[in-house]
Amino acid sequence: AQKITQTQPGMFVQEKEAVTLDCTYDTSDQSYGLFWYKQPSSGEMIFLIYQGSYDEQNATEGRYSLNFQKARKSANLVISASQLGDSAMYFCAMREPTGGFKTIFGAGTRLFVKA
Amino acid sequence: NAGVTQTPKFQVLKTGQSMTLQCAQDMNHEYMSWYRQDPGMGLRLIHYSVGAGITDQGEVPNGYNVSRSTTEDFPLRLLSAAPSQTSVYFCASSYLASYGYTFGSGTRLTVV
Repeated sequence: AQKITQTQPGMFVQEKEAVTLDCTYDTSDQSYGLFWYKQPSSGEMIFLIYQGSYDEQNATEGRYSLNFQKARKSANLVISASQLGDSAMYFCAMREPTGGFKTIFGAGTRLFVKA
Repeated sequence: NAGVTQTPKFQVLKTGQSMTLQCAQDMNHEYMSWYRQDPGMGLRLIHYSVGAGITDQGEVPNGYNVSRSTTEDFPLRLLSAAPSQTSVYFCASSYLASYGYTFGSGTRLTVV
């Protein structure tokens, strides 16, 4: 069965530094997709980045990159050069074909960026 | 381009009442889902759909019904509201399996 684990309830990072948010997953499928979303204090959900299980390169989108380690079943989000506006909840999610492409989310990590 | 539109934004129900949360998207997305968000628990999947006429249960389907008669609309029905259904509800849609979701702005539901 699908499972997403985010073990860091809260993280602090100094402005302009890089930060890694952890995500591990469990699946018996060979084909699946991994996603990260951001939820600012205003409440909206924003899609950040996607990694397919067959992608050989780690996904990157601007200051976001996904450190994909398939054998360890981890999909950590790296935010480079943190900004005050990065303070938010971050959710890892997985979608797999088994079970009809449903998408399951982790519990989230709250990131605080300090000036 | 409106994206994903959820109505209402806020709702207070009495225990036992029923209601429908509306969700509509204008992006011709096949995948649509309903989630509830409770403090400390992330987003939990209620029901989802991979196309018109196709729906399936998620992690927490009890007390909720859905239908998908058109690609655009995916309403969520609460059959008999209970205080445990107090939550923020999000509707989301995506074009393909490899695309991220576009989310609606959410509905804050309180059941008293």
